[in-house]
Amino acid sequence: KAGVTQTPRYLIKTRGQQVTLSCSPISGHRSVSWYQQTPGQGLQFLFEYFSETQRNKGNFPGRFSGRQFSNSRSEMNVSTLELGDSALYLCASSHGGQGSYGYTFGSGTRLTVV
Amino acid sequence: TQLLEQSPQFLSIQEGENLTVYCNSSSVFSSLQWYRQEPGEGPVLLVTVVTGGEVKKLKRLTFQFGDARKDSSLHITAAQPGDTGLYLCAGGISSYKLIFGSGTRLLVRP
Repeated sequence: KAGVTQTPRYLIKTRGQQVTLSCSPISGHRSVSWYQQTPGQGLQFLFEYFSETQRNKGNFPGRFSGRQFSNSRSEMNVSTLELGDSALYLCASSHGGQGSYGYTFGSGTRLTVV
Repeated sequence: TQLLEQSPQFLSIQEGENLTVYCNSSSVFSSLQWYRQEPGEGPVLLVTVVTGGEVKKLKRLTFQFGDARKDSSLHITAAQPGDTGLYLCAGGISSYKLIFGSGTRLLVRP
């Protein structure tokens, strides 16, 4: 079965712009989580959605937002981009929200802010 | 704030050697997962352990969850170049949130 698909794979944006990243989970998976990965901070939890509801949010500013659609696809948006937002953004899905039993990650979107 | 400390941060060994990676915290986790990540890709789940004291083996990899569910270890026997990658431990603090360790970057030289 198809894995977790993230688009685009690479993105270059200018400071102050906004960006939208997309994630299609494994078919049948209703939970989607987003993580930011940087060399200095490692993987940091952004938020998790289940059946279109945000159930948990990490310690990121309000410029970071997300949503989930009825088909479980998810998007995350970052407004007013800063240089420090440059990172690999990873999406992970799990069946039934049982993230404690393992996630399947996508290949990520590499965002570079210049 | 829950923290997961991994050690060592970097490991460079010769093919055929054994190694152990540690993951420690002061927090209790409902589960502990190990992932391996290769450059340009997302992490791939290796194993999940949920019971204190649990030991799981995956070919040459042995995973252990501490009795108090605060720490874990990953032991690789007879490492091969294909084992090269970033190893990440992740602790489950709810059914829908993981806390990741900082990772151990392993290089296995032929």
